[in-house]
Amino acid sequence: SQKIEQNSEALNIQEGKTATLTCNYTNYSPAYLQWYRQDPGRGPVFLLLIRENEKEKRKERLKVTFDTTLKQSLFHITASQPADSATYLCVAGSSASKIIFGSGTRLSIRP
Amino acid sequence: KAGVTQTPRYLIKTRGQQVTLSCSPISGHRSVSWYQQTPGQGLQFLFEYFSETQRNKGNFPGRFSGRQFSNSRSEMNVSTLELGDSALYLCASSLDQSNEKLFFGSGTQLSVL
Repeated sequence: SQKIEQNSEALNIQEGKTATLTCNYTNYSPAYLQWYRQDPGRGPVFLLLIRENEKEKRKERLKVTFDTTLKQSLFHITASQPADSATYLCVAGSSASKIIFGSGTRLSIRP
Repeated sequence: KAGVTQTPRYLIKTRGQQVTLSCSPISGHRSVSWYQQTPGQGLQFLFEYFSETQRNKGNFPGRFSGRQFSNSRSEMNVSTLELGDSALYLCASSLDQSNEKLFFGSGTQLSVL
């Protein structure tokens, strides 16, 4: 079955370091991948979208990559801050089928 | 521009009752999708509507239903509530059917006792 897996349930990073989150997909060829941030008790907030023909996308301290050979997306937060602590969701989609959510990675940035 | 509005924010029901949740999308957005989120299962897709038509449906029993009105507002209904239906129910809207860049509401936290 189609599956999106985010490798780490939780990730603890020292403030100032780069946080790297992983998203792998199986039995699926997404046309795009999206990353969302979710804070406790709130709905997810859209961060970045990268298409299958794009290798990398950046937005301020955020960078996302899409490797169709490895079937993987990496999400980086550089110069991490305690305010970046949240759960990050990877979402895969294509025009033909409904989107699929990963289970999320809970990121904690310690001062 | 107002965001996605979900009402009510919190709801407590007992087993066997039914519940209706409401979602008002961002003005101009025609696609609305619903999700159930529990700590153990993550975000699970319920259904998606575009221009009052259900486009996709997730793997949930028939007790879960929804509809979309001509003004794009959407409702979802759960009948004969079970304890396992306790969850955060999220609604998201997007401009079109592509599901790119979803805007989520804050959700309705449903507790079934």
